[in-house]
Amino acid sequence: AQTVTQSQPEMSVQEAETVTLSCTYDTSESDYYLFWYKQPPSRQMILVIRQEAYKQQNATENRFSVNFQKAAKSFSLKISDSQLGDAAMYFCAYRSSLDYKLSFGAGTTVTVRA
Amino acid sequence: GAVVSQHPSRVICKSGTSVKIECRSLDFQATTMFWYRQFPKQSLMLMATSNEGSKATYEQGVEKDKFLINHASLTLSTLTVTSAHPEDSSFYICSAWTGQGNQPQHFGDGTRLSIL
Repeated sequence: AQTVTQSQPEMSVQEAETVTLSCTYDTSESDYYLFWYKQPPSRQMILVIRQEAYKQQNATENRFSVNFQKAAKSFSLKISDSQLGDAAMYFCAYRSSLDYKLSFGAGTTVTVRA
Repeated sequence: GAVVSQHPSRVICKSGTSVKIECRSLDFQATTMFWYRQFPKQSLMLMATSNEGSKATYEQGVEKDKFLINHASLTLSTLTVTSAHPEDSSFYICSAWTGQGNQPQHFGDGTRLSIL
């Protein structure tokens, strides 16, 4: 399994501000997929955003965007205009194009201050 | 679209009981389903992968006789925890995948299992 590292166990952000979550991964492959999942207190896993490695353009979904640096093997998530509903645990995940399994990072707990 | 239903959401039962958890893909066909276990404030740990009509593939350290998986159709997979004991108490989550490379896994809402 590939190694996915989320170095920030916890992050706190003021409502309406921006927070960036870091994620790095280890791979020797050139074709793969990257995902960010959100897990709120309800523990439902919600797909936030995904990126295909062959695409140079960074993916965006409304207030969520990524900074994909393929050479650096980095895939950070930026949450803009943070809302109380963004409070959750966020998991970065990697999937090889040759395999179907997801490798998850340890997660980052995001707290949003009103 | 891409809805995965997992049932039940919460189970409390006595030690020694067997518990069955269902995972259904409601609006798509899932060639592959995955079963995860998650401890509080930790990441998801893959237990096993199941493909429709074939035996499940278990991750190292997961007892296949304890955690029975059946993937009878393209929309249904079940996980049976046999002779459950308190140490089996955990949060179990399933996910379903169409098999298309660029598609993500879609997750069920999870099952909180408590063994007394």
